[in-house]
Amino acid sequence: DTGVSQDPRHKITKRGQNVTFRCDPISEHNRLYWYRQTLGQGPEFLTYFQNEAQLEKSRLLSDRFSAERPKGSFSTLEIQRTEQGDSAMYLCASSHNSGFSYEQYFGPGTRLTVT
Amino acid sequence: LAKTTQPISMDSYEGQEVNITCSHNNIATNDYITWYQQFPSQGPRFIIQGYKTKVTNEVASLFIPADRKSSTLSLPRVSLSDTAVYYCLVGYSGNTPLVFGKGTRLSVIA
Repeated sequence: DTGVSQDPRHKITKRGQNVTFRCDPISEHNRLYWYRQTLGQGPEFLTYFQNEAQLEKSRLLSDRFSAERPKGSFSTLEIQRTEQGDSAMYLCASSHNSGFSYEQYFGPGTRLTVT
Repeated sequence: LAKTTQPISMDSYEGQEVNITCSHNNIATNDYITWYQQFPSQGPRFIIQGYKTKVTNEVASLFIPADRKSSTLSLPRVSLSDTAVYYCLVGYSGNTPLVFGKGTRLSVIA
């Protein structure tokens, strides 16, 4: 399977704990995006990378959230001191650096439940 | 990115053609129109993209009138497996973050 993969698929954690998610993009894609989706809503942008550089962060990304993409390959999203409001599906997507296509390839997501 | 408006939900019987219309009155000259499909517990999937007139692929057709202030996604002969949420997005570059609305929840009934 050469699509975007995410790990884990599900995570249940207690409030106050730290969690880390991993995303492996399609290998030739240099852009990598993180989105968050809550029930009944469309995905909301969190942050994105071009290669290893983090180019933009949403205001949704509080200081408890940090993302990295070392060496421009896989990426990790860490949430520190989780809160119940962090419960959501965290989606990763990747794309090639082409100017006129809006096609981003999404992974299956990591569903986070904070108890 | 241009704001879009689409119906919250639609129902259809199997075998029918489904048309989902999206309004984007403030679309800019350089903006493309793109539709994504999302099944439960999966990430969104690109369906189709267009700039003007008509675009067709193996999954759907996209109709865009001359003023480009709206667009219609057409799904021919839907099946139960087409039950999903469909998102209309408008923007210029594939290299910027996507802005999703709430989408249209399509339910296909046998």
